[in-house]
Amino acid sequence: GAVVSQHPSRVICKSGTSVKIECRSLDFQATTMFWYRQFPKQSLMLMATSNEGSKATYEQGVEKDKFLINHASLTLSTLTVTSAHPEDSSFYICSARTGAPYEQYFGPGTRLTVT
Amino acid sequence: QKEVEQNSGPLSVPEGAIASLNCTYSDRVSQSFFWYRQYSGKSPELIMSIYSNGDKEDGRFTAQLNKASQYVSLLIRDSQPSDSATYLCAVANAGNNRKLIWGLGTSLAVNP
Repeated sequence: GAVVSQHPSRVICKSGTSVKIECRSLDFQATTMFWYRQFPKQSLMLMATSNEGSKATYEQGVEKDKFLINHASLTLSTLTVTSAHPEDSSFYICSARTGAPYEQYFGPGTRLTVT
Repeated sequence: QKEVEQNSGPLSVPEGAIASLNCTYSDRVSQSFFWYRQYSGKSPELIMSIYSNGDKEDGRFTAQLNKASQYVSLLIRDSQPSDSATYLCAVANAGNNRKLIWGLGTSLAVNP
């Protein structure tokens, strides 16, 4: 159990465009989802915590107007990278947290390349 | 600053040996402890979670938690080349929305 899907798995877009990434918990309801970014050979960096029905909580240094997060249902959270630039190219990974014992399960990730 | 520390490695073990991965944490009120495995270019995969002092076994994996010493370890028995990956330790407490605090990971290489 505890399967999380993420779509798309890979996207290439032009500088200045926006990209939406979807994260779904397939077999459980997740009141809380998380969005991470990981650059090559670096550790996971938490971008924001997404709670169903409320505004996301962003980590220090993450621009909320650039990385729009919507968690409209207990099984779906979306991350929109607005006005993407080459420096936004990265591996974006979502996770969904179960109820007690509060385990986080990760989606397969989305590799974003901005040209 | 709440921290989780791991030896970056690489840890190299022969096939069939026991691999021992260690993690220390600084926040004494931490309640939940997790080990994830991450293959290069892939997302993390949850291997073990542990919440109480002592050992927890699941197949070839054993997690050990010692809250007094603030460390958690992961033992991999009968290591296989397919176990070669980066192992991430993560810790959470009941506050702060139960966010995970991550170690930087230990790279494990299992040599055939």
